[in-house]
Amino acid sequence: EPEVTQTPSHQVTQMGQEVILRCVPISNHLYFYWYRQILGQKVEFLVSFYNNEISEKSEIFDDQFSVERPDGSNFTLKIRSTKLEDSAMYFCASSGTGRGAQHFGDGTRLSIL
Amino acid sequence: AQSVTQPDIHITVSEGASLELRCNYSYGATPYLFWYVQSPGQGLQLLLKYFSGDTLVQGIKGFEAEFKRSQSSFNLRKPSVHWSDAAEYFCAVGGEGGADGLTFGKGTHLIIQP
Repeated sequence: EPEVTQTPSHQVTQMGQEVILRCVPISNHLYFYWYRQILGQKVEFLVSFYNNEISEKSEIFDDQFSVERPDGSNFTLKIRSTKLEDSAMYFCASSGTGRGAQHFGDGTRLSIL
Repeated sequence: AQSVTQPDIHITVSEGASLELRCNYSYGATPYLFWYVQSPGQGLQLLLKYFSGDTLVQGIKGFEAEFKRSQSSFNLRKPSVHWSDAAEYFCAVGGEGGADGLTFGKGTHLIIQP
């Protein structure tokens, strides 16, 4: 069964550094999403992306964050200057249609030191 | 704004017993509802979804859920749990927009007793 893949599985970064999280969505999907889950808390929506532009973003997704689909297969989340509170599990998801079921990757655990 | 409430943080069930996990949502229009399961260190796996039509939906691994509009609920059920069902379960609601993000509940941690 097709799946969403995320790399790396664990990223450790110094505070203030830039980090890029990578995702390969399911190949025929058109909608892409990033979520985060701070340890012990619920999953929170960050941003959705369709037709090479952001469709929706939450309050969490401020100017420190950006997303890009640099080629036909990858979908990335960049955090420009990381803060301690950015430490979380970041999940990528994709869906074939708008309002369709979203399929999640296994996540990248981001640890900011 | 939409919201999801999962009133039970932890639930303990004996293996072979039936299970019901509660989910209440707040949403202005017809909701799109989902249940996901998360095993430790894993991502979120879709169990089932409700978009429209029959209010009783069947999912994977023997799970089902019933949409009750009058109660704003979408409870997850399984007639007989297995030890492998121990995990975190999340209920989520989708918005009206074509690419809206999902709003998740805080999750219910399911513990299976032998």
